[in-house]
Amino acid sequence: KQEVTQIPAALSVPEGENLVLNCSFTDSAIYNLQWFRQDPGKGLTSLLLIQSSQREQTSGRLNASLDKSSGRSTLYIAASQPGDSATYLCAVYSGGGADGLTFGKGTHLIIQP
Amino acid sequence: GAGVSQSPSNKVTEKGKDVELRCDPISGHTALYWYRQSLGQGLEFLIYFQGNSAPDKSGLPSDRFSAERTGGSVSTLTIQRTQQEDSAVYLCASSSQGGVNTEAFFGQGTRLTVV
Repeated sequence: KQEVTQIPAALSVPEGENLVLNCSFTDSAIYNLQWFRQDPGKGLTSLLLIQSSQREQTSGRLNASLDKSSGRSTLYIAASQPGDSATYLCAVYSGGGADGLTFGKGTHLIIQP
Repeated sequence: GAGVSQSPSNKVTEKGKDVELRCDPISGHTALYWYRQSLGQGLEFLIYFQGNSAPDKSGLPSDRFSAERTGGSVSTLTIQRTQQEDSAVYLCASSSQGGVNTEAFFGQGTRLTVV
């Protein structure tokens, strides 16, 4: 059974810092990996989708990498802003439909102004 | 519509009552997922629909939970005889093909409180 772990569970940094969020998964046989953002009381907003054949994806100040063989992904946030404060979730899709996306428990990020 | 729409956004119900949660996926998306997010927990997969095929219900936590999808579009998640442990945010997502190489889009969720 696929398991996804996110480290750290919580992170608080001053505004302007670059930071890295980590995601690991136990079964490397994935089709894709997706990073989401969740604001308090809200649904999930998709940030980046990395296909299994890709190594990284970039969107603005966000860069996500994928090392499928080692079961790891990182989300890099450059020049952090208070508006980046949210919970960041990593999810992998292993196919078959029945398991859907397997999510980590998230990293709760606070950017201090 | 422009995004995945869920209703109601909030629902408070008495223990033992039945509730229905609705999800309207993005137009043209064939795959639809239901997830549950309990306080302090990760997202728990509940059920997956792909087009008009029979869904896989293996993620549903008990036989009090059921879901249907009419005409391959709108889905309803029904919880019968609600219990306090059913209190959670129920999230719906859709994707254009169903997982492989496609992006999942989520609704804002329905926050269910059983009192």
